[in-house]
Amino acid sequence: DARVTQTPRHKVTEMGQEVTMRCQPILGHNTVFWYRQTMMQGLELLAYFRNRAPLDDSGMPKDRFSAEMPDATLATLKIQPSEPRDSAVYFCASDWENTEAFFGQGTRLTVV
Amino acid sequence: AQSVAQPEDQVNVAEGNPLTVKCTYSVSGNPYLFWYVQYPNRGLQFLLKYITGDNLVKGSYGFEAEFNKSQTSFHLKKPSALVSDSALYFCAVRDRSSGTASKLTFGTGTRLQVTL
Repeated sequence: DARVTQTPRHKVTEMGQEVTMRCQPILGHNTVFWYRQTMMQGLELLAYFRNRAPLDDSGMPKDRFSAEMPDATLATLKIQPSEPRDSAVYFCASDWENTEAFFGQGTRLTVV
Repeated sequence: AQSVAQPEDQVNVAEGNPLTVKCTYSVSGNPYLFWYVQYPNRGLQFLLKYITGDNLVKGSYGFEAEFNKSQTSFHLKKPSALVSDSALYFCAVRDRSSGTASKLTFGTGTRLQVTL
C-alpha cells in the first residue's frame, strides 16, 4: 500500500530551537509539495519540487525556513529558529506528472 | 495567478438528502480540478478529479462533481448524504497548460455537517 510517510507525527519544541520535518514520497513520484495548515490561513503552499529541483518556494519565510530533497526518497523542511507563530500542521504530498497528489498524515508542530 | 474559491464555510444537510459543495476556480490555461476530503487529525484524501472528457466525474464514496467551463465551477455532489460524510472538503486546481509540474492550489475548505 503506497503512501507518503511523514516524521515525526508530533513535535513540541521551545522557541528558538531548530525543527526538521521529514517526508518520504511515494516511490516513483517526481513532484513533492510542502503545505502548512492553520485555522486562520487554511492550506498554504510553502514549496514544491520536481525531480528534486525546487520549482517554487515563494510561500516560505526565507529567513527561517528551508526545504530540500537530498535524494528522491527524502524531502526535508527545516525551521531555524522556530517561533510560536510556526505552530501548525505541516503536510507533505507527492504525485507523478500533474496527476492527483497523495498526502501524508502530517506533522503537528507546537512551538512554545 | 491561479485561485480557488469555496464560498461556503459550512454546509448543513440531513442524512438521506442530496448535498452540494460549491467550488469556482481561476487559471490562465486549462484546469486540472480535484476534490479532497479531510477527517479530523488526518491528511487529505483524494476523492475525484477532472482532467478532460466527460464533464461529470464520479469518485469515491458515491461522490461526483460536475465541471462547468463557462461558469468556471466544479461543484461536488452526492445524491444521498451520510452522517459519515461529515468532514472538511477541499477543492484544488492546477494549470494544465503550464508544461512542467504545476502548482496545486487549494480553496479554503468547506465543512460538511450531516445530521440525522
